[in-house]
Amino acid sequence: DADVTQTPRNRITKTGKRIMLECSQTKGHDRMYWYRQDPGLGLRLIYYSFDVKDINKGEISDGYSVSRQAQAKFSLSLESAIPNQTALYFCATSDKGGQGTLTGELFFGEGSRLTVL
Amino acid sequence: DAKTTQPNSMESNEEEPVHLPCNHSTISGTDYIHWYRQLPSQGPEYVIHGLTSNVNNRMASLAIAEDRKSSTLILHRATLRDAAVYYCILRRSSGNTPLVFGKGTRLSVIA
Repeated sequence: DADVTQTPRNRITKTGKRIMLECSQTKGHDRMYWYRQDPGLGLRLIYYSFDVKDINKGEISDGYSVSRQAQAKFSLSLESAIPNQTALYFCATSDKGGQGTLTGELFFGEGSRLTVL
Repeated sequence: DAKTTQPNSMESNEEEPVHLPCNHSTISGTDYIHWYRQLPSQGPEYVIHGLTSNVNNRMASLAIAEDRKSSTLILHRATLRDAAVYYCILRRSSGNTPLVFGKGTRLSVIA
């Protein structure tokens, strides 16, 4: 089983619908992230969470919200989806890094492809 | 935050070494240099990281300039499976900021 699991893997929806993308991890990491990828633009950070009670906005948080339900779960919501939110979304986890065996290495899920019509 | 600059794309012949450059002229003394790569249809994966000294692992080598303003990821013998987008990222040693990806370098490997 994958260490970082995203559901759904593919979703097609209509403008104005509410969408939730879910991420769960078995790495035991405190830190979780949501990134968005558009063709030719690399990955852009949407939200991140350094522990269960911590939520932070990233580069492109407008139009998105997140919920950290538990250490292992971090969900991304689009309250009212619009076509320019069509993209590939990645969840990632990491330890805090900087000490001994803690490297801060990111572990990514396989991605959730969202199409908003 | 310190930024990195990478070429948009590079090509290599199969079984030849590949040197992927990264400029980070505003790097601070406590920033680690991380490299990730993203294979087609997959999420990014960690490749290597370093602070000041050159680093080697089973995937690649990382050569860091003495002034730390640039680094080079070295793939010793490129294979078709190395065709990917390679990202060079700076990470604060405090770990209090998340990794921010740029557009990376798209490496094509020619058989």
